[in-house]
Amino acid sequence: QSALTQPRSVSGSPGQSVTISCTGSSNNVGGYSVSWYQQHPGKAPKFIIYDVNKRPSGVPDRFSGSKSGNTASLTISGLLSEDEADYYCSTYAGSYTFVFGGGTKLTVL
Amino acid sequence: QVQLVQSGGEVKKPGASVKVSCKASGYTFTAYYVHWVRQAPGQGLEWMAWINPDTGGTDYAQRFRGRVTITRDTSVGTIYMDLTSLESDDTAVYYCARDWSSGKNVGFFDLWGRGTLVTVSS
Repeated sequence: QSALTQPRSVSGSPGQSVTISCTGSSNNVGGYSVSWYQQHPGKAPKFIIYDVNKRPSGVPDRFSGSKSGNTASLTISGLLSEDEADYYCSTYAGSYTFVFGGGTKLTVL
Repeated sequence: QVQLVQSGGEVKKPGASVKVSCKASGYTFTAYYVHWVRQAPGQGLEWMAWINPDTGGTDYAQRFRGRVTITRDTSVGTIYMDLTSLESDDTAVYYCARDWSSGKNVGFFDLWGRGTLVTVSS
């Protein structure tokens, strides 16, 4: 069981917005930067958000991140069918180690 | 082309060891930390370890210490992950992933290999 808690699943209709939370503690999410990854079935994860709210080159601005206290959030606006995937948060866990959240399955209805 | 190319799938018996390779190309090998992440079937991502390809320095998740060793060969730009005393629970896809920040270990994984399936079965 991960130290970072994500909802198992979220869903939304095309065009809508969804938010995925990632809750930890002051020892991880609350104290350090967070990144997010998108993973389609059978594929390697893709880097979509870093440093809480920055997007790597090529990632649409429909993806945005934020953090408040010990909870980080990923918001996807203007949902597309291709956004259906698993999403993972990650952060520093102390003692030179890192941790991923348990993952959230996004279903586009 | 900037990429990480991993070795092919492996089938091992319980108690055996496996060595997975990750060859970097298209960038300065020693400039970026590399991490290993695994994913059991139907499960989430699990961070395992990192290596500094420049110095060879490493660190491991507590649960893998003593059982996993990460090494590198700078002459061929390749990182290796050696996992011993395999159990059925070690059946997973093992990914190598590059850290985003040159010269630093910030834990943002911007470049991933395609993964190597390791199956542990008697």
